Amino acid sequence: QQQVKQSPQSLIVQKGGISIINCAYENTAFDYFPWYQQFPGKGPALLIAIRPDVSEKKEGRFTISFNKSAKQFSLHIMDSQPGDSATYFCAATDGGSQGNLIFGKGTKLSVKP
Amino acid sequence: GAGVSQSPSNKVTEKGKDVELRCDPISGHTALYWYRQSLGQGLEFLIYFQGNSAPDKSGLPSDRFSAERTGGSVSTLTIQRTQQEDSAVYLCASSLSQNNSPLHFGNGTRLTVT
Repeated sequence: QQQVKQSPQSLIVQKGGISIINCAYENTAFDYFPWYQQFPGKGPALLIAIRPDVSEKKEGRFTISFNKSAKQFSLHIMDSQPGDSATYFCAATDGGSQGNLIFGKGTKLSVKP
Repeated sequence: GAGVSQSPSNKVTEKGKDVELRCDPISGHTALYWYRQSLGQGLEFLIYFQGNSAPDKSGLPSDRFSAERTGGSVSTLTIQRTQQEDSAVYLCASSLSQNNSPLHFGNGTRLTVT
C-alpha cells in the first residue's frame, strides 16, 4: 500500500528525443506527487510536482501526466539533452498525516549526443 | 543562500565501530528528514523531525540506529556497532514544514563499513 513502483530502471534516449518515466501507486490517500532529479555525488533536487486535482503540469521541457483513476503518473522530458542525464525519482505522500515522501527506486536516464 | 550541509562527506569505518553523521539544515526549516540510499536503490526513509521531536521513527532499521535534533536545527544520526550492510549514502533533507513543502537535500554522507 505504501509502495511507489517506478519504471524503467534505466533509459537511453537520443538527444532531442522524448524521455518517459512511469510510476504507479496504490494508496488512494496520496495527494502530492513530486519528481526529483539526482546527479552523481549530489542529493536529489525537486524538479516538478503535481496534485491530483489536475491531470497535467508542464514546466519548460518537463511535463507530469497524472491519471487518478489508474493511480499512475509519468514524467515526460521533451527535447532531451545530454545535461538531462541523471537519476530521476518519483515520489508520493499523504502530506496531511506524516509528510514523509515514499520514493520509487529511480530511473537512470542517459541522453546520447 | 546556504543549502543543507552534511558532514563528513565520506566515512570509512571498521565493522563494530560507532559512527556519527551530522546534518545542518537550511535556516528556518522546521522539518528534517534522514534517508538512506543504497547502491542502485531508491531512497529509504529513516526518521523525520518536526522541531526537536521525532514523530516518526518508523524507518529506523534496527535499535543500532538513533537520531537526535537539538535547538530545532542540527541533527545527528548515530549508528552503533556498524555492520557491512549499513554501507550506503545517508541523505539529510529539510523543509519549511511537513505539509508538502519541497524537500531540500544535502549531498549525503557516503558510509563504507569494512
